[in-house]
Amino acid sequence: NAGVMQNPRHLVRRRGQEARLRCSPMKGHSHVYWYRQLPEEGLKFMVYLQKENIIDESGMPKERFSAEFPKEGPSILRIQQVVRGDSAAYFCASSPGTLGQEQFFGPGTRLTVL
Amino acid sequence: DAKTTQPTSMDCAEGRAANLPCNHSTISGNEYVYWYRQIHSQGPQYIIHGLKNNETNEMASLIITEDRKSSTLILPHATLRDTAVYYCIASMNRDDKIIFGKGTRLHILP
Repeated sequence: NAGVMQNPRHLVRRRGQEARLRCSPMKGHSHVYWYRQLPEEGLKFMVYLQKENIIDESGMPKERFSAEFPKEGPSILRIQQVVRGDSAAYFCASSPGTLGQEQFFGPGTRLTVL
Repeated sequence: DAKTTQPTSMDCAEGRAANLPCNHSTISGNEYVYWYRQIHSQGPQYIIHGLKNNETNEMASLIITEDRKSSTLILPHATLRDTAVYYCIASMNRDDKIIFGKGTRLHILP
């Protein structure tokens, strides 16, 4: 059973471009979480999704950021018009959503905005 | 989620037991204690969790005090690969978001 997969592992964008980060949860997991880790800082929750639904987006910046978890395919975290302050490691985690299991994290996507 | 307090950093000699403390004096009766760790630049890794009883798995042991106001994560035979930031989290619902604090930076010394 493959773990949580994220791609790309490294992404470089120029200011004003769009960044799309993908997360494939573990097989059988229907809950996905996105976290951001700014350089030299701790992990911050961004958004929690179940299939086709956003459950909690209290950690998402109000503008330029969006997330989805479609019925088919990976979860996508989309950042429009990136700025230098968006440079960070973005981690995705998944859980089965039954009986309250722990979260399993992917290796992260490191976004660099030039 | 209850607030947790951990030492900023700790050292442990390789091969010895690493004991990482965590205070969670405001924890409520239905909140679990979870431990995760993050090895440099990698995604966080779940270690162990517990409610009231002490727990042990292949990675670590979790000792929770009787009043549940504090706990200790024990890595029985620390290796250099255990060098990481260790996070103690008190939370009611394992399906909910994880609120990470600053954690304890554990250095395993050769």
